[in-house]
Amino acid sequence: DIQMTQTPSTLSASVGDRVTITCRASQNINSWLAWYQQKPGKAPKLLIYRASILASGVPSRFSGSGSGTEFTLAISSLQPDDFATYFCQQCHRYSFTFGGGTNVEIK
Amino acid sequence: EVHLLESGGDLVQPGGSLRISCAASGFTFSNYAMNWVRQAPGKGLEWVSEISDRGGSIFYADSVKGRFTISRDNSANTLYLQMNSLRAEDTALYFCAKGICTDVTCYSMFDSWGQGTLVTVSS
Repeated sequence: DIQMTQTPSTLSASVGDRVTITCRASQNINSWLAWYQQKPGKAPKLLIYRASILASGVPSRFSGSGSGTEFTLAISSLQPDDFATYFCQQCHRYSFTFGGGTNVEIK
Repeated sequence: EVHLLESGGDLVQPGGSLRISCAASGFTFSNYAMNWVRQAPGKGLEWVSEISDRGGSIFYADSVKGRFTISRDNSANTLYLQMNSLRAEDTALYFCAKGICTDVTCYSMFDSWGQGTLVTVSS
């Protein structure tokens, strides 16, 4: 299986900060990567698909970049609603795999 | 509006069986591949299985292969997961999830999720 390694596992930041989360794949997955946001007790929400395409209704402060094995999710100016856990997911090859998650917490 | 509603989660003994369901509405169910994704308490996300729009292609995670069976009834807009030989490590919240489609193609990236149904395997 393709392993997805997310860093950091926890990120402490303040409202207005720019934050970045990295996801590394154990092999080339081209652009077959998605990013999700999950809040406690809720289902994940799709933010980015095909590595850089913003999903419908997602604020433009979110952006995704990368291809191959290294990918980044950036939040340009962190808002109170953005404190959550973020996951990456590859769908290049079965079995699909998720990163371990990054918990973005209030500093 | 897309709506996915899982049901059927329960407390089951190790070695037991359970079938969970996902009722879909708000979109043309038969046009989309569907997936099951699970999340153990306090843990990350684990993809479980995918079934294509007409049911002709099916894939499983190694951790459930041979024990779980995904199926769908497009006439009833419902997705199923039959789980046999359940183990303690199968304890999780099980989400059904819909793949995203553009005008051109579809991807196994999930733009709609249900709220989940809890399966607990314990004696």
